[in-house]
Amino acid sequence: EAQVTQNPRYLITVTGKKLTVTCSQNMNHEYMSWYRQDPGLGLRQIYYSMNVEVTDKGDVPEGYKVSRKEKRNFPLILESPSPNQTSLYFCASSPRQTTGELFFGEGSRLTVL
Amino acid sequence: GEDVEQSLFLSVREGDSSVINCTYTDSSSTYLYWYKQEPGAGLQLLTYIFSNMDMKQDQRLTVLLNKKDKHLSLRIADTQTGDSAIYFCAESPHGSGNTGKLIFGQGTTLQVKP
Repeated sequence: EAQVTQNPRYLITVTGKKLTVTCSQNMNHEYMSWYRQDPGLGLRQIYYSMNVEVTDKGDVPEGYKVSRKEKRNFPLILESPSPNQTSLYFCASSPRQTTGELFFGEGSRLTVL
Repeated sequence: GEDVEQSLFLSVREGDSSVINCTYTDSSSTYLYWYKQEPGAGLQLLTYIFSNMDMKQDQRLTVLLNKKDKHLSLRIADTQTGDSAIYFCAESPHGSGNTGKLIFGQGTTLQVKP
C-alpha cells in the first residue's frame, strides 16, 4: 500500500530534550516536505527536500533540522524543543516538486512542556 | 504577500448541498487545490483546478474559479455524514515551482447533521 509513515504519532516531551520525528515513504517520490498545523493558521511549510542530499528551508524553519540521506526517509529533528513547537506535524511527499499533489502522513502530535 | 482565506465553519443537513468558499491573493497561481482532512488523519487531495479553467466537475464535487475576484469554491452535492471533515483550500504560488510549497487556508470544518 502506497503510504507516508510518521513516527511517533503522539509525543509529550520537555523543553530542551532533543527529539526526532521520522518520516518514510514507499512511493519512490523525489520530493518530501514537513508542515506544521496550528489552529487558525492552516499548514505552514517547515523544510522541504527535492531529492537525496538536497534540503531547503520553508516558511518556519527556526528550531528545526532535517536530513535526506536516503530517498525514502526525511526525518525532522528538534535539537532543543521549546513550548512554541507544540503542534501537529505532517510529512508529505510528491513525485516531483512542481505538482501540488502531496501525499500526507497521518500526523505527529507533539507537546513540549 | 501570499495568503489564502476561508471561513472556519459550515453546518449543513444531510442531503443538502455544501458550498465552501476560499479567497487567495496570488493571481499567478497555476493550480488551486482542495484537500480534505478527516479526524485523526492526514490531508488527502480531493480535487484541483488549473487556473485557465472556470469550472471542474468530478462526481458530487464542483469547483468554481473566479480569477477576477480570486475566489475559489467547492460545492458538494447531496452531502453525506461521511463528508464531515476539514476542507483546506491551497494555492501553488508563482515561483514556488522550485520549492513545491503550497499556501494553505485555515481550513473549513464541515459538519453534516443527519
